[in-house]
Amino acid sequence: DAGVTQSPTHLIKTRGQHVTLRCSPISGHKSVSWYQQVLGQGPQFIFQYYEKEERGRGNFPDRFSARQFPNYSSELNVNALLLGDSALYLCASSPVVQGSQQYFGPGTRLTVT
Amino acid sequence: SQQGEEDPQALSIQEGENATMNCSYKTSINNLQWYRQNSGRGLVHLILIRSNEREKHSGRLRVTLDTSKKSSSLLITASRAADTASYFCATDAAGGSYIPTFGRGTSLIVHP
Repeated sequence: DAGVTQSPTHLIKTRGQHVTLRCSPISGHKSVSWYQQVLGQGPQFIFQYYEKEERGRGNFPDRFSARQFPNYSSELNVNALLLGDSALYLCASSPVVQGSQQYFGPGTRLTVT
Repeated sequence: SQQGEEDPQALSIQEGENATMNCSYKTSINNLQWYRQNSGRGLVHLILIRSNEREKHSGRLRVTLDTSKKSSSLLITASRAADTASYFCATDAAGGSYIPTFGRGTSLIVHP
């Protein structure tokens, strides 16, 4: 089975622009979570979706939004990009919403100039 | 804020030696997980240990959990150059959501 896939792999945007990152979970997984990882830090939780509903939200501004589609894939949107949004954005999927192992994708490296 | 904090921040050893990393956390947890990350890529899950467990093994990996001290350790035995990576612990706070909260990680370098 294919693992979690994310697109694009790398992205360079300018301050003030908008970006959409995409994630496809492992087949059969209904939960998708998004994390931001700044260089030298651990991943910081942004959102979790399960069965197309938001189940958790981290401490991120409203410029960050996400959604999950009927096929359980997900998009992370970031508006009005700031230099500080430069990071590796990780998507993880799991079969259930609570207490199970998460499977991570390779990430999208976002650079804001 | 970081719930889990790994120690040491960096560890450099020779191939064949054992590597021990520690994780401390602040609040009661449901479970604790260890992940490995190579060169800023995706995280690979290593072991999940639940709050009612004290020790788990997986191949060359041994994880212990001491809930009274709010700490966990990851032991990699007979290390290999391929074990060079960053290692993170992640905790799910008891009574809250099951979203894992990651520490800053331990950077392990294994010299051949």
